Amino acid sequence: GQNIDQPTEMTATEGAIVQINCTYQTSGFNGLFWYQQHAGEAPTFLSYNVLDGLEEKGRFSSFLSRSKGYSYLLLKELQMKDSASYLCAVNDQGGKLIFGQGTELSVKP
Amino acid sequence: GAVVSQHPSWVICKSGTSVKIECRSLDFQATTMFWYRQFPKQSLMLMATSNEGSKATYEQGVEKDKFLINHASLTLSTLTVTSAHPEDSSFYICSARGTEAGGADTQYFGPGTRLTVL
Repeated sequence: GQNIDQPTEMTATEGAIVQINCTYQTSGFNGLFWYQQHAGEAPTFLSYNVLDGLEEKGRFSSFLSRSKGYSYLLLKELQMKDSASYLCAVNDQGGKLIFGQGTELSVKP
Repeated sequence: GAVVSQHPSWVICKSGTSVKIECRSLDFQATTMFWYRQFPKQSLMLMATSNEGSKATYEQGVEKDKFLINHASLTLSTLTVTSAHPEDSSFYICSARGTEAGGADTQYFGPGTRLTVL
């Protein structure tokens, strides 16, 4: 079956670093995506990993280990506006995205 | 680039009526679009894959006669919720398949449509 797990919620302090983990078991794999979603809005693309390793994009980095079925999203220098839901999604080779349940991140002053 | 629009952004209708939601890719052509629904505090659930010029592919458990999908052009897909009932109230989001800088095949999401059925 298809299974993507991520923590339901996390809390962090403004200016700090937070790591959101995602583990997956899917029948196919053609890349892993991270999206950010603010309440009542659609998801916005953050990052994409298809090869093992770290992809860095400004304050956001994403890591993938295909052999372990594991990814994480790293957010540095947290800002209040980073409070949102972060969705891990796997492209299952059919072009379909399978989403995890999302991690609700609260950034506190 | 890679902007997807949806219309309407919200709609309130009476039980038994039909509602049409439009999804447009504004600055790129999308042969494939996807329709999702999302309940509060839950993740996105794929309803169907919409391919330009052919029939949509529905996920298991999604009634194709209730959720009609038409993808008549490379920039427009529509979802019609027929004979809507209160349990159909949800946040409906479309996405269009495009290519991110660097070649990644990704999906770009529309802003979503909040449907409330009374």
